[in-house]
Amino acid sequence: DTGVSQDPRHKITKRGQNVTFRCDPISEHNRLYWYRQTLGQGPEFLTYFQNEAQLEKSRLLSDRFSAERPKGSFSTLEIQRTEQGDSAMYLCASSLVDSPLHFGNGTRLTVT
Amino acid sequence: AQSVTQPDIHITVSEGASLELRCNYSYGATPYLFWYVQSPGQGLQLLLKYFSGDTLVQGIKGFEAEFKRSQSSFNLRKPSVHWSDAAEYFCAVGAPNTDKLIFGTGTRLQVFP
Repeated sequence: DTGVSQDPRHKITKRGQNVTFRCDPISEHNRLYWYRQTLGQGPEFLTYFQNEAQLEKSRLLSDRFSAERPKGSFSTLEIQRTEQGDSAMYLCASSLVDSPLHFGNGTRLTVT
Repeated sequence: AQSVTQPDIHITVSEGASLELRCNYSYGATPYLFWYVQSPGQGLQLLLKYFSGDTLVQGIKGFEAEFKRSQSSFNLRKPSVHWSDAAEYFCAVGAPNTDKLIFGTGTRLQVFP
């Protein structure tokens, strides 16, 4: 069990650029989640997958955000035309059904 | 709507003192309840969880929490705090079958020697 892995750990980008983050879940976990955490707040749910199916998306996930999990293993989260308000920690988690979430260390995004 | 309230934004205790972090939730049925801990710049680590059964649950690092349905609370306790417990603590509520969690805003714990 190598845990949930996220890449990169940090990303600095200029406003208007596109960014993509990757998450590798624990290998036997069929559920994968994306959360966003801003300073001084708890994580906020963005979306989750069961295998390759995206089952729920939060209203926080604007049309500039897209997440994929093409083969039911790793997932990517892309943000197009980044805005300063997108600066946050993006957390990925994975789980088995009805089991606790295991979180990665996150990707910290700074939009300048 | 589901929600979690952590009334204490920041708590300071002396090493060796006891600790209680408060958590209140709003949920239509019996929820799944969790406490996570986050060190600076890190992800969240699960301390303990309540799904059903015994309302007093034991977790890692000497933490425990008690589910009180009548008070809609799930407070986290530790009898003797260690300096390494300094971190941010998040309470979360989850719905069965989705595992989607709603988090509180967190309580930052400082420990003085």
